[in-house]
Amino acid sequence: GQSLEQPSEVTAVEGAIVQINCTYQTSGFYGLSWYQQHDGGAPTFLSYNALDGLEETGRFSSFLSRSDSYGYLLLQELQMKDSASYFCAVRDRTGGSYIPTFGRGTSLIVHP
Amino acid sequence: DGGITQSPKYLFRKEGQNVTLSCEQNLNHDAMYWYRQDPGQGLRLIYYSQIVNDFQKGDIAEGYSVSREKKESFPLTVTSAQKNPTAFYLCASSWGATRNEQFFGPGTRLTVL
Repeated sequence: GQSLEQPSEVTAVEGAIVQINCTYQTSGFYGLSWYQQHDGGAPTFLSYNALDGLEETGRFSSFLSRSDSYGYLLLQELQMKDSASYFCAVRDRTGGSYIPTFGRGTSLIVHP
Repeated sequence: DGGITQSPKYLFRKEGQNVTLSCEQNLNHDAMYWYRQDPGQGLRLIYYSQIVNDFQKGDIAEGYSVSREKKESFPLTVTSAQKNPTAFYLCASSWGATRNEQFFGPGTRLTVL
């Protein structure tokens, strides 16, 4: 099976940089994704890492280290609208199927 | 506009009644998923389907059933056997089982009274 660990809550001020960590355990790793979800809304896809290293998409970057079973989401130039929950997710190949598993989510609170 | 829709947004049912949640997508995606989200929790996989007429149980399938008769549609039935059905239900789709970007519907908040 799979399991993911991420902090339950992170707080920061507008304009700052924040890093949300995610550690995972899977039997057949097939990539780490990040999603953003505002209160009452649907999750939206932010980024995906299959290989080690940093992927940059505007103010958001995501990093993966497969040897450490670890990744993080980096948010720069924080804005109030970035206050949301952030989920890491892994896809695990089990018996020919690719099973997605989400972490419990990190609530990011951005203060003025 | 292409997208994934769920209806209704809010649903109330009496205990002991079965209820079916709708999920439709016009993105031409092969794979579809159902998740359950409880307050302060992540998304837990109920069922998924990689192609039409085929579906697999996820981590918490007990008390739920699905069908995939059409590529566009993946309805979820919450049966009376589900012990704690009150939750936020999210449907998602992706181009294929190996594609990591999932597109989510707006969700249905089910309350069982």
